[in-house]
Amino acid sequence: AQTVTQSQPEMSVQEAETVTLSCTYDTSESNYYLFWYKQPPSRQMILVIRQEAYKQQNATENRFSVNFQKAAKSFSLKISDSQLGDTAMYFCAFMKLTGGGNKLTFGTGTQLKVEL
Amino acid sequence: DTAVSQTPKYLVTQMGNDKSIKCEQNLGHDTMYWYKQDSKKFLKIMFSYNNKELIINETVPNRFSPKSPDKAHLNLHINSLELGDSAVYFCASRPTGAYGYTFGSGTRLTVV
Repeated sequence: AQTVTQSQPEMSVQEAETVTLSCTYDTSESNYYLFWYKQPPSRQMILVIRQEAYKQQNATENRFSVNFQKAAKSFSLKISDSQLGDTAMYFCAFMKLTGGGNKLTFGTGTQLKVEL
Repeated sequence: DTAVSQTPKYLVTQMGNDKSIKCEQNLGHDTMYWYKQDSKKFLKIMFSYNNKELIINETVPNRFSPKSPDKAHLNLHINSLELGDSAVYFCASRPTGAYGYTFGSGTRLTVV
């Protein structure tokens, strides 16, 4: 079974600064996807970024980028130029691609607060 | 147009009651899911249907029964509600061959 660990329950960052959220995972699969989801106070689950395990290049989406270290099973999220609207719970998630119905296995989340 | 819509958004009910949560998606996706988010915000898969066929049934009490009348709808019926069932329940859908989910806005169930 896959497990996803987010070791930082809470983090805070000043507006316009950069912050990195950590995620590690454990799997014996070689082909999988990794995701970061954002859940603001509105409760909506919003996809921030995804990474395909077979791609070595780190994914980027505007101010969001990942550092994917496959051998170390690490998948951290970097948020540059933090904005107040980035305040949310961030979840790291794993999806194996063979069998399993493509379910998402989530970490416990990191509550990020962006401060003035 | 809401892509994945859940009703109701909030549900308060007494222990022992039976309730249903409905989910509909207008994206043409083949696969739909139910996830439960507990009081500590931990999200866990409950069920999944692909084109009306049950493909994931995690360790969930049999008081929970999903039903998919067609591939655009996935409902969740809960019998004999218990205090521990209080949570936010998310519906989601995914197209065949792609791996990004679209989530509904969640249903907050409170059992008193």
